[in-house]
Amino acid sequence: DQQVKQNSPSLSVQEGRISILNCDYTNSMFDYFLWYKKYPAEGPTFLISISSIKDKNEDGRFTVFLNKSAKHLSLHIVPSQPGDSAVYFCAASVWGSGGSNYKLTFGKGTLLTVNP
Amino acid sequence: NAGVTQTPKFRVLKTGQSMTLLCAQDMNHEYMYWYRQDPGMGLRLIHYSVGEGTTAKGEVPDGYNVSRLKKQNFLLGLESAAPSQTSVYFCASTHRDSPLHFGNGTRLTVT
Repeated sequence: DQQVKQNSPSLSVQEGRISILNCDYTNSMFDYFLWYKKYPAEGPTFLISISSIKDKNEDGRFTVFLNKSAKHLSLHIVPSQPGDSAVYFCAASVWGSGGSNYKLTFGKGTLLTVNP
Repeated sequence: NAGVTQTPKFRVLKTGQSMTLLCAQDMNHEYMYWYRQDPGMGLRLIHYSVGEGTTAKGEVPDGYNVSRLKKQNFLLGLESAAPSQTSVYFCASTHRDSPLHFGNGTRLTVT
């Protein structure tokens, strides 16, 4: 049973445009959500996070939106740059005694390609 | 500051052989994790540790064992490798409430 779903395996956008990556979750206990970015032959790196008490978090060109009623979050990248081309993983956790990043559950990832 | 270092980077095993993957971190992190990444499957948690001398099972622990004898090291063992264990293995470490720091992975092929 997949608890974190990224239904789009790939996304292609033009440089300068907005990239929107989507993620759905089924476990209502999840209360902390993260996005990781992965380049080939490297490990994932943390990008941005949001707790369930917020509906939006922004960091430069990256914004994450959370819709708890729909169990849906999205990552917006504006403007998109060729260097943003990577696999993006959505992840979730239950922020309990182990902390916000305890035993993350990851989605399958979305390959973003930004064309010059 | 090397962060999280995984050894080896690549390995080819024959079915039934054993090996140990080493993860070392120099950030004094309490928590360490082993994930595997397979095409179309994302990252799945194998085992994890919340401190020196402690380990616990994750989502897909069968066929693997782990040890955390020193705080900075987390070892993943395959006692009898199977083709289904062909994967890319990632180690990660963190403090509580801090983002995971990942190593660059070990690509394992079992023939």
